[in-house]
Amino acid sequence: EVQLQESGPGLVKPSQSLSLTCSVTGYSITSNYWGWIRKFPGNKMEWMGYISYSGSTSYNPSLKSRISITRDTSKNQFFLQLNSVTTEDTATYYCARSQYYGYWYFDFWGPGTMVTVSS
Amino acid sequence: DIQMTQSPASLSASLGETISIECLASEGISSYLAWYQQKPGKSPQLLIYGANSLQAGVPSRFSGSGSGTQYSLKISSMQPEDEGDYFCQQSYKFPWTFGGGTKLELK
Repeated sequence: EVQLQESGPGLVKPSQSLSLTCSVTGYSITSNYWGWIRKFPGNKMEWMGYISYSGSTSYNPSLKSRISITRDTSKNQFFLQLNSVTTEDTATYYCARSQYYGYWYFDFWGPGTMVTVSS
Repeated sequence: DIQMTQSPASLSASLGETISIECLASEGISSYLAWYQQKPGKSPQLLIYGANSLQAGVPSRFSGSGSGTQYSLKISSMQPEDEGDYFCQQSYKFPWTFGGGTKLELK
């Protein structure tokens, strides 16, 4: 069974970088697409970006040049880095697998990790 | 970006009641629409993809329909385990976007 697990610091200071890891078991990240989604307090959800099976990436333009998604195929992990964070980046961060079967959708999600941006 | 307007924001239903949640896209999305259920403290679970395809393992009381800009999720007989938040999400154009969510409670 495909399982994803996020890990990383729960508290980040404003202007610093947020770094999260998604560890995947039961499936290789050299197949499919692997993304990050966040849920803000108040329930709004935002797709942040993905990294593909080949290592190509696509990002939400709202995050401009602050975001980077990379991977380590030897560890079957992919990573999120979000630079210059502000309090508005406080959210629960999820990693998820994107599947395509005629249509795109997220079929496996990690449990999520809450990140607070505060001094 | 494609805006996804979801309604209602909250809903209270009786056991066995049939309920519908609507999602309106700001432009046509050609059925690139998924529905998710999220329970407190848990990650979202895929219910429906392609507007009307039921994900494996999801009870048949869940169904999706719609086309163009208007889509809906129907629960044909409300069960206690159906309480939670529901989200729609379009994957027709980047950036993929979500609806604002519907909180479903058992009356």
